Amino acid sequence: DGGITQSPKYLFRKEGQNVTLSCEQNLNHDAMYWYRQDPGQGLRLIYYSQIVNDFQKGDIAEGYSVSREKKESFPLTVTSAQKNPTAFYLCASSMGGSGYTFGSGTRLTVV
Amino acid sequence: AQKITQTQPGMFVQEKEAVTLDCTYDTSDQSYGLFWYKQPSSGEMIFLIYQGSYDEQNATEGRYSLNFQKARKSANLVISASQLGDSAMYFCAMRGRGAQKLVFGQGTRLTINP
Repeated sequence: DGGITQSPKYLFRKEGQNVTLSCEQNLNHDAMYWYRQDPGQGLRLIYYSQIVNDFQKGDIAEGYSVSREKKESFPLTVTSAQKNPTAFYLCASSMGGSGYTFGSGTRLTVV
Repeated sequence: AQKITQTQPGMFVQEKEAVTLDCTYDTSDQSYGLFWYKQPSSGEMIFLIYQGSYDEQNATEGRYSLNFQKARKSANLVISASQLGDSAMYFCAMRGRGAQKLVFGQGTRLTINP
């Protein structure tokens, strides 16, 4: 079955550490996105990529980095510069903006 | 820039009643798309319904319908005959012309009481 796989489901980060969240899709979608969700809040766009080797900052890109070396993969790195990284992170993909498929999310906690 | 406003942080409804979740939007684009998603406690985002700005009829998908009032820039979700399993967060989202990214509202937490 086609879909988006996010891993891990839960992730714990120590202060000052970089961590990478994985997002893989087998839908052959061109565009991929990373959103952050804080408790009781809506989704805010971190980064998005419309084609391989190209990506754009969203509304809250500071402290995050991404790469898009393959069409199927769009990993997100939460760097030590992100001062409040505890949140739920959702990856999504789309083909031409006509429909969006979301992964099941990664819950990141700073310990 | 696009903006989505959901003014109802929480709603409580009796099972089998119909419920309307409000969504207003702001955009200068003539062509845009409006989406509704359901997010249960597990966190996954479940697509419910889509309305294009040029669609003349209101979208319907089973028990879900979208009350699209373009002049008022409103896109309310109507759920008929609510069920206990409808309890979740509901998000309205918008995609502007030429943009593929979705902009989300703050969400409404819907609770269905037996």
